[in-house]
Amino acid sequence: RKEVEQDPGPFNVPEGATVAFNCTYSNSASQSFFWYRQDCRKEPKLLMSVYSSGNEDGRFTAQLNRASQYISLLIRDSKLSDSATYLCVVNNDYKLSFGAGTTVTVRA
Amino acid sequence: ETGVTQTPRHLVMGMTNKKSLKCEQHLGHNAMYWYKQSAKKPLELMFVYNFKEQTENNSVPSRFSPECPNSSHLFLHLHTLQPEDSALYLCASSQAPSLKTDTQYFGPGTRLTVL
Repeated sequence: RKEVEQDPGPFNVPEGATVAFNCTYSNSASQSFFWYRQDCRKEPKLLMSVYSSGNEDGRFTAQLNRASQYISLLIRDSKLSDSATYLCVVNNDYKLSFGAGTTVTVRA
Repeated sequence: ETGVTQTPRHLVMGMTNKKSLKCEQHLGHNAMYWYKQSAKKPLELMFVYNFKEQTENNSVPSRFSPECPNSSHLFLHLHTLQPEDSALYLCASSQAPSLKTDTQYFGPGTRLTVL
């Protein structure tokens, strides 16, 4: 089983829609979690950190479910600029494990 | 944003060439990392340096040789590479890997093509 698994998508949504996707992780002892955003041919950039049950930052909400070992990311009121690949990242023993990413495309 | 810079941004090399990738961080961090990102694959951690000491070598072939002269600079020396080494090589830095709240910041990457 991969350490971090994500639905690759793509999720194609209209502007203004809500989109949500999950990430599962295999190590129940994982300590912290992150969502990074990566635009095409660019570097990953931190979107949100998740240390407890969840985090909210504007239109973005991350939820952590330790019992089922998954993290979710919800984007409300999608903008064209939200089109990107979203990387789920898990901190295991102070090393980061990355998922392969979920691609979101927001259309006008 | 100029927190973590990488040069060159693009590199094409033959299998017999020797080249080096450079990374510099201006964030006052203590740890630096090299990652490899191949198409449609997750980022793969290659090396970790914490306070200039290598703390992680993730079974990377010896044709990749890292060097960390100080906490702000990190190099990746390349020699006798293979075409399958073509990828985006990302450098990152963070304040303290021992903290669960530690956050890594990435440079723009070097897109490497091996012919």
